[in-house]
Amino acid sequence: EADIYQTPRYLVIGTGKKITLECSQTMGHDKMYWYQQDPGMELHLIHYSYGVNSTEKGDLSSESTVSRIRTEHFPLTLESARPSHTSQYLCASSEWGQPDTQYFGPGTRLTVL
Amino acid sequence: KNQVEQSPQSLIILEGKNCTLQCNYTVSPFSNLRWYKQDTGRGPVSLTIMTFSENTKSNGRYTATLDADTKQSSLHITASQLSDSASYICVVSGLDNAGNMLTFGGGTRLMVKP
Repeated sequence: EADIYQTPRYLVIGTGKKITLECSQTMGHDKMYWYQQDPGMELHLIHYSYGVNSTEKGDLSSESTVSRIRTEHFPLTLESARPSHTSQYLCASSEWGQPDTQYFGPGTRLTVL
Repeated sequence: KNQVEQSPQSLIILEGKNCTLQCNYTVSPFSNLRWYKQDTGRGPVSLTIMTFSENTKSNGRYTATLDADTKQSSLHITASQLSDSASYICVVSGLDNAGNMLTFGGGTRLMVKP
């Protein structure tokens, strides 16, 4: 079982609030990813990182931002949440040399009222 | 444009029955194809991975096949159990300038009823 954690698991907040979704992994993986998934829909890559101080935007444009100050930690921040941000956010990680073997966290289900 | 299409979108079967899920892709160049199982409210978990040269791979009651010529894959579930109820996602890996690119299918939602 993969050692990748996300908190909170569920979050309900009001419009305009600043939120940070946490993601941590204890596998020493260099590469980390954030995906957005609406109910019953496919996953879309919104951010990824190759290692410390590396952040890249994914295929789906997102108003969120990420940071990678430590290898094990890849938080995602929304400065001002809106109802359109309501979705499930999944974090994943992988090793160099095995880019396709992504291990996923349990996800954070975000609801913005 | 790289695409992964899965069918059916949803499926209901009785416990103990077999079923087959389909995945067609247009990802190029192709690296490998993976099937994930995603329980409701959870992250996806890898079931199988197949490279270009592999035609079939099994993981317990799950058997995946790959036809790289027709760009089709299937996931066969034998003697289904209630715990098989989940979404099954086909993910095809290609190569981009960064070294890898994943294209996700929309998934098949399987419900196994007693």
